[in-house]
Amino acid sequence: AQTVTQSQPEMSVQEAETVTLSCTYDTSESDYYLFWYKQPPSRQMILVIRQEAYKQQNATENRFSVNFQKAAKSFSLKISDSQLGDAAMYFCAYRSGGSGSRLTFGEGTQLTVNP
Amino acid sequence: SQTIHQWPATLVQPVGSPLSLECTVEGTSNPNLYWYRQAAGRGLQLLFYSVGIGQISSEVPQNLSASRPQDRQFILSSKKLLLSDSGFYLCAWTARGGYGYTFGSGTRLTVV
Repeated sequence: AQTVTQSQPEMSVQEAETVTLSCTYDTSESDYYLFWYKQPPSRQMILVIRQEAYKQQNATENRFSVNFQKAAKSFSLKISDSQLGDAAMYFCAYRSGGSGSRLTFGEGTQLTVNP
Repeated sequence: SQTIHQWPATLVQPVGSPLSLECTVEGTSNPNLYWYRQAAGRGLQLLFYSVGIGQISSEVPQNLSASRPQDRQFILSSKKLLLSDSGFYLCAWTARGGYGYTFGSGTRLTVV
């Protein structure tokens, strides 16, 4: 079974600085997708960014970018120019490539942004 | 556009009482539907998923059950709640063949 590991239960960053959240996963599959979700205090799950395993280019969405290292099975999230609104729980998630496949989540990293 | 509705937002129920949480999706057909549970400060655990009407797969044996009586309706139920059923329940959907998940706003269940 696939597993997702987030080794940093908590992280903090100064406003306007850059922070990187770590994620590793374990799989024997070649076709899969990786995601980062943000969960603010409202507990709504918000998709931040996604990466297809077959793509070598790292995904970017405005201030959010990933460092996808397929051989190392690593998928870290970099947040640039951190804002107070970025404070939330961040979850890394894995999904197999097949239709109907479900998301497997890591345990999350609580990000605090200090003014 | 597609939307997902989940209710109620908050629920306090006594031990031994029944439970029914409902999730509906609008603006799409034949979605894959999922129920997740999140304990406080933890990750999400998949409880059930469905790829079609009447088709339910259970991931974790427990006190809960799920049903899909209509294409875009997914219901989470229990006949008798336990204290351990407390948590935050999230419904999600994906398009058939798609890979992006969209989550509902969640239900905070407290069993007392």
